[in-house]
Amino acid sequence: QVQLVQSGAEMKKPGASVKVSCKASGYNFTSYAFSWVRQAPGQGLEWMGWINTYNGNTNYVQKLQGRVTLTTDTSTSTAYMELRSLRSDDTAVYYCARDRLSVYSGYDASFDYWGQGALVTVSS
Amino acid sequence: QSALTQPASVSGSPGQSITFSCTGTSADVGGYHYVSWYQQHPGKVPKLMIYEVNNRPSGVSNRFSGSKSGNTASLTISGLQAEDEADYYCSSYTTSSTLVFGGGTRVTVL
Repeated sequence: QVQLVQSGAEMKKPGASVKVSCKASGYNFTSYAFSWVRQAPGQGLEWMGWINTYNGNTNYVQKLQGRVTLTTDTSTSTAYMELRSLRSDDTAVYYCARDRLSVYSGYDASFDYWGQGALVTVSS
Repeated sequence: QSALTQPASVSGSPGQSITFSCTGTSADVGGYHYVSWYQQHPGKVPKLMIYEVNNRPSGVSNRFSGSKSGNTASLTISGLQAEDEADYYCSSYTTSSTLVFGGGTRVTVL
């Protein structure tokens, strides 16, 4: 069965960087792209960016351009999200989410499997 | 890219039907058939309820249905049940090849 297991909670100081991992199992990792979505405490969902695990292509939300980098390690079926120059308003639960359609079937901007989330707290 | 507009809260009695909206622009909701809806219970992971405006993934109750008219998408929950009490988020693909979520609607079962 498909599973996405994310790394644990992190506490960081303002200005630092954080790298969250998302290990996939139960399917062919390079067949499905990932998005990363975050949710600040008590707030809604915010899409951060997308990575094609087959060719490494990425696309990011404009407000995070230059601070976020999405990567994958196909040898370990793991996706990563790195966020730099952390601020207090980056405090959130960070989710990885798998595209519903495979890279061979098209794209419909929906996600059928989500990681359990990783809380990143930014505080001095 | 601004968030899609959803009502903050909607309520209904058990057995009733409720419908709530998700309003965007021609650059997102109005321009694509790629509107999705997610259900999120407190402290839980979002769950896909509707994709491509009006399609239900396997396992999702047929009490949930989606539609779209112009720049506004809607989610209808029929035969409201206590377990439907949750937050619901819409999302849409955009002309910037990005994705945008709505602010969320809290559904309360009276």
